[in-house]
Amino acid sequence: QKEVEQNSGPLSVPEGAIASLNCTYSDRGSQSFFWYRQYSGKSPELIMFIYSNGDKEDGRFTAQLNKASQYVSLLIRDSQPSDSATYLCAVNSLSSGSARQLTFGSGTQLTVLP
Amino acid sequence: DGGITQSPKYLFRKEGQNVTLSCEQNLNHDAMYWYRQDPGQGLRLIYYSQIVNDFQKGDIAEGYSVSREKKESFPLTVTSAQKNPTAFYLCASSASNSGGSRDTQYFGPGTRLTVL
Repeated sequence: QKEVEQNSGPLSVPEGAIASLNCTYSDRGSQSFFWYRQYSGKSPELIMFIYSNGDKEDGRFTAQLNKASQYVSLLIRDSQPSDSATYLCAVNSLSSGSARQLTFGSGTQLTVLP
Repeated sequence: DGGITQSPKYLFRKEGQNVTLSCEQNLNHDAMYWYRQDPGQGLRLIYYSQIVNDFQKGDIAEGYSVSREKKESFPLTVTSAQKNPTAFYLCASSASNSGGSRDTQYFGPGTRLTVL
């Protein structure tokens, strides 16, 4: 059973601070990793993906991947109230044959306080 | 506009009734997926399809059925055998399902199903 674990939160940070969201996964064969943002009542929207160990930056967002530790994180710099949402970590790994499946964590609820 | 559409936005089902949720994409994506989301939980895979006329069961396929007769369309039927169907249903698509950035999944707006 492939598992993706996230702290459910809620995580509260003041406006302008750095929010750090963490995710661990159980399948060492996992090859690609995704962060989605989901506002209440809405569908998930992609923030970024990462495949290689290290950091990947996109604007205020930085994804960090450490395959040896089976750990992926998302940093949000200069957090804004509009960043308040649930953040879903998703891990893509080979399921059977050539088919791949995304396994989602349960999400971390982030609140940015004005 | 390229994207994924789902209809209806809200759906109410009576006990013993089958209902079909629509999912259409004009992104020219090969792979399509159906997920279910319950309150406070992540997404769970119901069915997926890598190519027209082919689909595979996901983790929670019991009580659901799908078809993939056209590349653009992947409807989901919630049958009366699904005992607890009240949930938020999300359709997604990706360019491919064989590795790399083309695996990135994009989601439709979702259908909220309630059993009366």
